[in-house]
Amino acid sequence: QKEVEQNSGPLSVPEGAIASLNCTYSDRVSQSFFWYRQYSGKSPELIMSIYSNGDKEDGRFTAQLNKASQYVSLLIRDSQPSDSATYLCAVNEGALEAGNNRKLIWGLGTSLAVNP
Amino acid sequence: DGGITQSPKYLFRKEGQNVTLSCEQNLNHDAMYWYRQDPGQGLRLIYYSQIVNDFQKGDIAEGYSVSREKKESFPLTVTSAQKNPTAFYLCASSLTGTTGELFFGEGSRLTVL
Repeated sequence: QKEVEQNSGPLSVPEGAIASLNCTYSDRVSQSFFWYRQYSGKSPELIMSIYSNGDKEDGRFTAQLNKASQYVSLLIRDSQPSDSATYLCAVNEGALEAGNNRKLIWGLGTSLAVNP
Repeated sequence: DGGITQSPKYLFRKEGQNVTLSCEQNLNHDAMYWYRQDPGQGLRLIYYSQIVNDFQKGDIAEGYSVSREKKESFPLTVTSAQKNPTAFYLCASSLTGTTGELFFGEGSRLTVL
């Protein structure tokens, strides 16, 4: 059974701090990784995708991927109360070359609370 | 503005009734998906469709049915065979069926009394 694991939290950080969210996955051939943000009672929203080892930055968000360790993380710099949400990690099963539709494997999410 | 529209947002039904949830997208995406989300559980895939007139079962298809007669539309019917239909239902689309970059609708919350 392919799995994506996240700490459920809640992760609590003060406003202005760096929030670090972690995700591990079991499918060694996965090559596509995604972070979604979900506010309470709302639908998920894609905030970052990463396909290569290393860091990818977009504004206050940085995604980090280490395929050898099967580990992907999301850093949120200068955390704001509006960042308080559940962050879902998702991994495409299988290799990019497969060509066929590859399902997303979802983690249960980490709840983040940013305290003013 | 392009996006995905789900309706209704809230729906109450009596046990034993079939209900149909609507999902329409104007993003010109090929692939569409239906997920179910329950408290404390991850997103679970019900059905997905890569192209018009084609769809596949996801992980929890029993008690559900779909159609994909138009590229823009992917309605989900929750039948009376679904044992625990009360849930938050999410429709999503993606440019192709091989990407994990999904765009979600606002969701439909179904309560079966």
